[in-house]
Amino acid sequence: GIQVEQSPPDLILQEGANSTLRCNFSDSVNNLQWFHQNPWGQLINLFYIPSGTKQNGRLSATTVATERYSLLYISSSQTTDSGVYFCAVDDRTGANSKLTFGKGITLSVRP
Amino acid sequence: KAGVTQTPRYLIKTRGQQVTLSCSPISGHRSVSWYQQTPGQGLQFLFEYFSETQRNKGNFPGRFSGRQFSNSRSEMNVSTLELGDSALYLCASSLGLVYNEQFFGPGTRLTVL
Repeated sequence: GIQVEQSPPDLILQEGANSTLRCNFSDSVNNLQWFHQNPWGQLINLFYIPSGTKQNGRLSATTVATERYSLLYISSSQTTDSGVYFCAVDDRTGANSKLTFGKGITLSVRP
Repeated sequence: KAGVTQTPRYLIKTRGQQVTLSCSPISGHRSVSWYQQTPGQGLQFLFEYFSETQRNKGNFPGRFSGRQFSNSRSEMNVSTLELGDSALYLCASSLGLVYNEQFFGPGTRLTVL
């Protein structure tokens, strides 16, 4: 099956700093999503971005499908950005689908 | 529009027991998928249901099963619980058509003693 690798595994930032989180995948995908897992475990949708660039406030994402990677940018980080960020790709075969997740990036934003 | 809901939020069971978890998808969504999250294995796909039919299944033993009802609500069942089944179980819903965004519920945290 498809492999998803995220880097770096851990990231520590000072409040106000910018960061880039990377997601590499081993095969072509039809869907890519970025999630933020809150302290209670819920996965919060950040971006649905199989290709191209999207922005939402201080967050933006770019997926270059032909080169099999996606980047999540966080600007002017805040302590509330802390948590685990997951990249997941749709490992679709025919009509079936499932999301294959990376291991996540743990972000800590210090005040 | 209400989000994905899961019940119960927390469960404590003992080895050998069985458990049923419930998931109500976003209104209008016909696909429900289940995932297991553990510290060791991360997030792993369990199965997907669409229009009451299992459309895809992950690599889990037969003790893990599920079903979907005509209103798209889904349940998953784990029989003969083992300590290793302790995990966060997440349900996701989507429209179920091609290349759809998935939305997750808050999860059910299962502890097996």
